[in-house]
Amino acid sequence: QKEVEQDPGPLSVPEGAIVSLNCTYSNSAFQYFMWYRQYSRKGPELLMYTYSSGNKEDGRFTAQVDKSSKYISLFIRDSQPSDSATYLCAMIGGGNQFYFGTGTSLTVIP
Amino acid sequence: KAGVTQTPRYLIKTRGQQVTLSCSPISGHRSVSWYQQTPGQGLQFLFEYFSETQRNKGNFPGRFSGRQFSNSRSEMNVSTLELGDSALYLCASSAGSSYNEQFFGPGTRLTVL
Repeated sequence: QKEVEQDPGPLSVPEGAIVSLNCTYSNSAFQYFMWYRQYSRKGPELLMYTYSSGNKEDGRFTAQVDKSSKYISLFIRDSQPSDSATYLCAMIGGGNQFYFGTGTSLTVIP
Repeated sequence: KAGVTQTPRYLIKTRGQQVTLSCSPISGHRSVSWYQQTPGQGLQFLFEYFSETQRNKGNFPGRFSGRQFSNSRSEMNVSTLELGDSALYLCASSAGSSYNEQFFGPGTRLTVL
């Protein structure tokens, strides 16, 4: 079983829709949770970072962590064509090692 | 401030050859991490260097090695290339004290024929 599971999609939504992206994980020791966005032919860029359980909002983006269910989510409100990218969840485990999901490909259709 | 740079951007090699990839971190960053990204496996951690010392290592065979120089630039070497080594190799730098702030380079696309 992989440490982090993420539905690869692809996900296609109309402009203005609310997008929900999710990851599950198996290691209860994970404390730091991140979401990265990766455009084609670019490296990932950090979008959101949360520590432990709870919600964090940044503009149109909301990150949620439910440690009891080992489940994290990223919500994108009022999605825009510029949000079209691959979204990667990531977690930090023992020894400060990063574990990434495989990424979900999102297309926002104008 | 210049971002993370990686050279070369694209590389084609044949099985059995070896390859060296280079990464220059953001100025002032002392930690450099390397990742392999493939469509099936996603981003997999190779190793991390901090102040010229390997601080963390992922589960890759010994054919994958790296080093870091005193100016924090890092190189990654893969010997005896296999077809399965075809991937995007990403380097990420951070100041080293805050693990949320890891900045990625554009990657080196390696194709093994």
